[in-house]
Amino acid sequence: KNEVEQSPQNLTAQEGEFITINCSYSVGISALHWLQQHPGGGIVSLFMLSSGKKKHGRLIATINIQEKHSSLHITASHPRDSAVYICAVSPSRGADGLTFGKGTHLIIQP
Amino acid sequence: DVKVTQSSRYLVKRTGEKVFLECVQDMDHENMFWYRQDPGLGLRLIYFSYDVKMKEKGDIPEGYSVSREKKERFSLILESASTNQTSMYLCASSLFAGGQNIQYFGAGTRLSVL
Repeated sequence: KNEVEQSPQNLTAQEGEFITINCSYSVGISALHWLQQHPGGGIVSLFMLSSGKKKHGRLIATINIQEKHSSLHITASHPRDSAVYICAVSPSRGADGLTFGKGTHLIIQP
Repeated sequence: DVKVTQSSRYLVKRTGEKVFLECVQDMDHENMFWYRQDPGLGLRLIYFSYDVKMKEKGDIPEGYSVSREKKERFSLILESASTNQTSMYLCASSLFAGGQNIQYFGAGTRLSVL
């Protein structure tokens, strides 16, 4: 079973700061997902990646398959970025359910 | 846009009751999933389904069963609810094609078992 570790668990930063959230996993995967969960429960998929780097607006996700590690970066952070960010992995049999990290609770203060 | 709809946002049940949580998706996705989310434990997979009448156990299936009679609907059943099943339940659906397996989540059902 894949073990997914995220760090930090909690992060408070000032508006405008560059944010990095890290994720590592123990077993080979077909893809890694970054998800965002706002208060109230709704979860949105931000990225799915199996190699390299993806960018969407101020969000950047990278993955290093050899090191079994991924990072999510937020540039020019804003209070509306405050949320829980969750890393999840798809097993090698890609259509199975995800295995999740415990999440990083991010607060961006004005 | 993909829409995954869970029948209830909040539900309060008594110990021993049979509980049905319903999930409907409108994008003809083959794969559907039930997760529960608990503080300090994160999200964990209960059951998933590849197709109508197909089901597979996830990481924590004990105390739960599922039903998928139609492609768009995936039900989670608590045969005899217990207090340790108080949790947030999230349904998701996905279409596994071309290596893509983006999951779309419902808003969640917060279940309290008293």
